[in-house]
Amino acid sequence: ELKVEQNPLFLSMQEEKNYTIYCNYSTTSDRLYWYRQDPGKSLESLFVLLSNGAVKQEGRLMASLDTKARLSTLHITAAVHDLSATYFCAVDRGSRLTFGEGTQLTVNP
Amino acid sequence: NAGVTQTPKFQVLKTGQSMTLQCAQDMNHEYMSWYRQDPGMGLRLIHYSVGAGITDQGEVPNGYNVSRSTTEDFPLRLLSAAPSQTSVYFCASSYLTGTGIYEQYFGPGTRLTVT
Repeated sequence: ELKVEQNPLFLSMQEEKNYTIYCNYSTTSDRLYWYRQDPGKSLESLFVLLSNGAVKQEGRLMASLDTKARLSTLHITAAVHDLSATYFCAVDRGSRLTFGEGTQLTVNP
Repeated sequence: NAGVTQTPKFQVLKTGQSMTLQCAQDMNHEYMSWYRQDPGMGLRLIHYSVGAGITDQGEVPNGYNVSRSTTEDFPLRLLSAAPSQTSVYFCASSYLTGTGIYEQYFGPGTRLTVT
């Protein structure tokens, strides 16, 4: 059974500081997805990581994938209030996704 | 394109009632899925379809039925609603890209409360 685990589940961040969210998964996969969800909204795609060593960056967010360790990280650089949301990682089995529990980020001034 | 649409946006049911959550996509995607989202548990797969006429169970299928008679529509039926089915339901459609990823599109969600 594929399991996807994120930590931390809650992250209270100070503005301008750096943080990392970790996503571990239990079976071999070459495709890892990161999504953002604002309260009451649907999921917004952030990154798709396709292979070992893949790194993608968008603004203050950078995601990486280590398929050998079955680990993806989402690094936040110099947090700002706009980044407050819940972030999910997910692994696919064909067209279906298995999600982590989600990490709720709050950025405090 | 309207993308993935879901109706209704909100619904309150009494225990034992039945209802259908509607999902439609206008992108001609082969693959469609239903997920439920509960606090602290991420999204969990209920049922999925890999094409018209083909459906299969996901992680949490009990109490739900699906059918896929057309490419566009993938309704989710609650047979006899229970309070444990109180959740937010998301429908997604996807297609396989040339780079080997499944490009996913999520609907806006249906918030269901069962009393």
